[in-house]
Amino acid sequence: DQQVKQNSPSLSVQEGRISILNCDYTNSMFDYFLWYKKYPAEGPTFLISISSIKDKNEDGRFTVFLNKSAKHLSLHIVPSQPGDSAVYFCAASAWNYGQNFVFGPGTRLSVLP
Amino acid sequence: GAGVSQSPSNKVTEKGKDVELRCDPISGHTALYWYRQSLGQGLEFLIYFQGNSAPDKSGLPSDRFSAERTGGSVSTLTIQRTEQRDSAMYRCASIGGAGTEAFFGQGTRLTVV
Repeated sequence: DQQVKQNSPSLSVQEGRISILNCDYTNSMFDYFLWYKKYPAEGPTFLISISSIKDKNEDGRFTVFLNKSAKHLSLHIVPSQPGDSAVYFCAASAWNYGQNFVFGPGTRLSVLP
Repeated sequence: GAGVSQSPSNKVTEKGKDVELRCDPISGHTALYWYRQSLGQGLEFLIYFQGNSAPDKSGLPSDRFSAERTGGSVSTLTIQRTEQRDSAMYRCASIGGAGTEAFFGQGTRLTVV
């Protein structure tokens, strides 16, 4: 059973608009989450993280929202830029319980000029 | 700066790649330590620099790990051919002069995917 789900395999957004990428998880022990992106033929790039004691974390154009009761987190990119086109991965960990990260399957974001 | 600075604060890398983690200790502090805090564990000593003496490398877990300290100040911890078990929080601490208090940086959270 997949513990971290990203139900949209792909998403297209117009440049300048908001991109919202969603992630759902099943394990209530997860207490630390992060988003990273990957361009083809390149290594992953860390974007933003959030601990379960928070419900929101912002870094520039990127904001991550965490809804623990719904076991849902989302990444908002505002405004979206063509350079944001990449595959975005959500990862979750029961860090304080000694468990490593579990990764979602990714969502391919295309930002259209 | 006022305290110990580490960069980056978060790093996601692909298995097999090399990573470099940086520590800027408090100016004038002669002793610098690297520790690793693995998932749900306590601090694990890695390496210790004291002035111009040869470093104590007894805590390095494998020959993939190395560290240097240039000019008695900034230190770089290098992990070659990263493995998923290297995922951890890497912390640097410095101690000055005759003081016994260790000042810790905020750490670099390394995730190997």
